[in-house]
Amino acid sequence: AQSVTQLGSHVSVSEGALVLLRCNYSSSVPPYLFWYVQYPNQGLQLLLKYTSAATLVKGINGFEAEFKKSETSFHLTKPSAHMSDAAEYFCAVSDISGTSYGKLTFGQGTILTVHP
Amino acid sequence: ETGVTQTPRHLVMGMTNKKSLKCEQHLGHNAMYWYKQSAKKPLELMFVYNFKEQTENNSVPSRFSPECPNSSHLFLHLHTLQPEDSALYLCASSQDYRGSEAFFGQGTRLTVV
Repeated sequence: AQSVTQLGSHVSVSEGALVLLRCNYSSSVPPYLFWYVQYPNQGLQLLLKYTSAATLVKGINGFEAEFKKSETSFHLTKPSAHMSDAAEYFCAVSDISGTSYGKLTFGQGTILTVHP
Repeated sequence: ETGVTQTPRHLVMGMTNKKSLKCEQHLGHNAMYWYKQSAKKPLELMFVYNFKEQTENNSVPSRFSPECPNSSHLFLHLHTLQPEDSALYLCASSQDYRGSEAFFGQGTRLTVV
């Protein structure tokens, strides 16, 4: 079965600093990977997804993620944090078995705090 | 309307009540999902529907009863819930192919008293 692990349940950065949120995956086949963002009392919004077309994936709001097979990682980065980036971020992997390919398995989430 | 819409946004119910959560998607997707999000726990997949047929039930207690009358609508019927069922319930939809992303509604914040 596939799984994802997000390292660090809380990350705190200063405004303008680099954002790095870590995600490692486990999958027996090439995975499809996703990053979602959740603002308080809201649903999840897709930031970006990796579907094997390119290892560096650019998403919305200036975020990007790099797929590294050798490290089984898909870390999310943003060069310069904004106050509006404060939210919870989820890494997810697409199901490869069972009856629904659209089903996702999520990591535990990382809460990003941005200080002025 | 576009996207995935959930109603109500907030719900408070007693343990003996019966209530229903509604989800509607206007994206033409053929798969719909219920997830439960509790504090300090990962998102838990509850049910999966493909083309109106339930294809997955992740050992969810019978006090949660899903219904999918068509590919655009999904309900979660609730009865005799427990306080530990208080959570954010999220509905999502997607196409049913590998790499398809899920689109989420804004959720229903459920409090069981």
